[in-house]
Parts: sequence; C-alpha cells; structure tokens
Amino acid sequence: EAEVAQSPRYKITEKSQAVAFWCDPISGHATLYWYRQILGQGPELLVQFQDESVVDDSQLPKDRFSAERLKGVDSTLKIQPAELGDSAMYLCASSLDTGTPAETQYFGPGTRLLVL
Amino acid sequence: GEDVEQSLFLSVREGDSSVINCTYTDSSSTYLYWYKQEPGAGLQLLTYIFSNMDMKQDQRLTVLLNKKDKHLSLRIADTQTGDSAIYFCAEIPTSGTYKYIFGTGTRLKVLA
Repeated sequence: EAEVAQSPRYKITEKSQAVAFWCDPISGHATLYWYRQILGQGPELLVQFQDESVVDDSQLPKDRFSAERLKGVDSTLKIQPAELGDSAMYLCASSLDTGTPAETQYFGPGTRLLVL
Repeated sequence: GEDVEQSLFLSVREGDSSVINCTYTDSSSTYLYWYKQEPGAGLQLLTYIFSNMDMKQDQRLTVLLNKKDKHLSLRIADTQTGDSAIYFCAEIPTSGTYKYIFGTGTRLKVLA
C-alpha cells in the first residue's frame, strides 16, 4: 500500500539553527499539505500545495518558515532560525486533488522536532 | 473562531463500547472525518461521513451525525487494547481551499 514518506523521523536542534524536513507524497497525489501539531493539540495547516503552487500559506510564519515543492512531487519545509516554540510534530499529508471537499488526506508518520 | 471541540480523555474497559464525541463549527461542512493517532505516529484515516447521511457503519465503527446540533460521534464496539490512541475529528468547511479543521483530540485508554 502506498504511503507518505517523511524524514527525518526525529530532529533535535539548538535554537537559532536551521532545520529542514522532507516529504514524499503518495505517487500521483497532486495536493500536498504540511501541518504542525503541538503536543496535546490537533494538527494545524501550515501550507498547502497544488502541484508546485502554493494555494494556502496563511498560517505559515513566513519570517522563519519556508516551503517548496519545486517539481510538484516531493517537498521540503525549512525553519531558519528555529525557536523553542517550534518544538512540535510536523506532519505531511497528500491527497489526489483539491477540486472537491471529498478528497481524503493521507498522512505520513511525521517528524518530531525538539528545539533546545 | 474555528474550534472543533472534543473531550480530552475517555477510559473504557476492554470489550465495552467507546463513544467519542465531537462538536464542529460549520453547519455547511459536507464531509466529516475521524482519524486515529497512535503514540509518536502520524494520523490514520478511520472513516468519514457525508453530511447527507446521519449514520455510517464500518465493522466495529459507527459514526452518528446530528447536523442540527453540529454533533458527530464515533462508537467503537468491543473496544480492544489496540484501540488505545488519540482520536481526532475533522471538518472541511465549504469555503476557501477545503482545508481540514481538526479537533483537539480525545485520548482513549482501554483497560484490560
């Protein structure tokens, strides 16, 4: 069964350092999502891509976060510089398309970030 | 604001039924989802329901939808220890880019 892949699974960094997370969606899925899940809360959308284009990044802290999906397949989420409050689980999800609200999102295992 | 609410904790004995409740915000949401998250893992889709339905059954899972009260529930029959996890409901408001709005999650603990 096809799955969303993410790496690394765990990352420990010091504040002010740069970190990057990678996501490979299910093959053929046009839409890719990055979520942040703070401990004890539900996931919150950071950025949504349709192919290589950003369709929603309203909740992305653009002063320090950036995301790209250059070829419309895999994606990278970067934080520079990392802050203590960035400690969270970063989840990637993908869906076939975003044309209707019925598109089920499939999630990867996540990257757990700890900023010291 | 957009707050999908769930109770934080639920504890049941193995073999009993579990009922996890969710109150969502957008009465026009057409699809509502239930996801399961085991410790340290991503979210696993359990089931979903269309807003024109009031019940959906899938093996041990039963989803009930009350559109008037914007209330969604997930019933797990014959709950097993492997069902211990956090359960999230999610709605998709019909405006904007169809992004999920997740609830706060309910931690289910199944006692042997």
